[in-house]
Amino acid sequence: NAGVTQTPKFRVLKTGQSMTLLCAQDMNHEYMYWYRQDPGMGLRLIHYSVGEGTTAKGEVPDGYNVSRLKKQNFLLGLESAAPSQTSVYFCASSTGANYGYTFGSGTRLTVV
Amino acid sequence: AQTVTQSQPEMSVQEAETVTLSCTYDTSESDYYLFWYKQPPSRQMILVIRQEAYKQQNATENRFSVNFQKAAKSFSLKISDSQLGDAAMYFCAYRSSTDSWGKFQFGAGTQVVVTP
Repeated sequence: NAGVTQTPKFRVLKTGQSMTLLCAQDMNHEYMYWYRQDPGMGLRLIHYSVGEGTTAKGEVPDGYNVSRLKKQNFLLGLESAAPSQTSVYFCASSTGANYGYTFGSGTRLTVV
Repeated sequence: AQTVTQSQPEMSVQEAETVTLSCTYDTSESDYYLFWYKQPPSRQMILVIRQEAYKQQNATENRFSVNFQKAAKSFSLKISDSQLGDAAMYFCAYRSSTDSWGKFQFGAGTQVVVTP
């Protein structure tokens, strides 16, 4: 009964380094999302997916890429990290467009 | 695009008292969904309450209730009999019923501080 699992929970990167954040859900949800949370700005949508092999850009997609090769996994990649990408990243999943989200516990990323 | 505004960055309440968090939104749609999420220090996002715009009745969940004013585009959250465990960041969120992608629009959040 894990729900949505995000790894890692914390990470410090140097400017220019790359990394991948993993989101895994065991609820057979079709819809998955990546958000970033910054103080005073709420949560902003980076990318999302409505099924295996399909992804789309959200509100703030620049500097990020995603992949959904398997239904249960949604990966968020940073090819060349920048200090502006310091944030808390949340993955969420949903069973359909009219339902609420189930969130992961977040990843705190610091880029120095 | 829809926008969600939470005008109160922080609210303080004493234990056992009531606090009301405001949320307004901008939309031209008639059918949509509104949510309140709680984020305690653990960072986990927890769904508090959900309201469907076509329903007149205000949603309630135990000590949590909303005042949904569709014409005013207002969706406030009332926390009654506040407890120390209610201390958290609260986010208001909007979801269009016509958005087949199910994307949410979140407000900036309101930090609730509960004092003994």
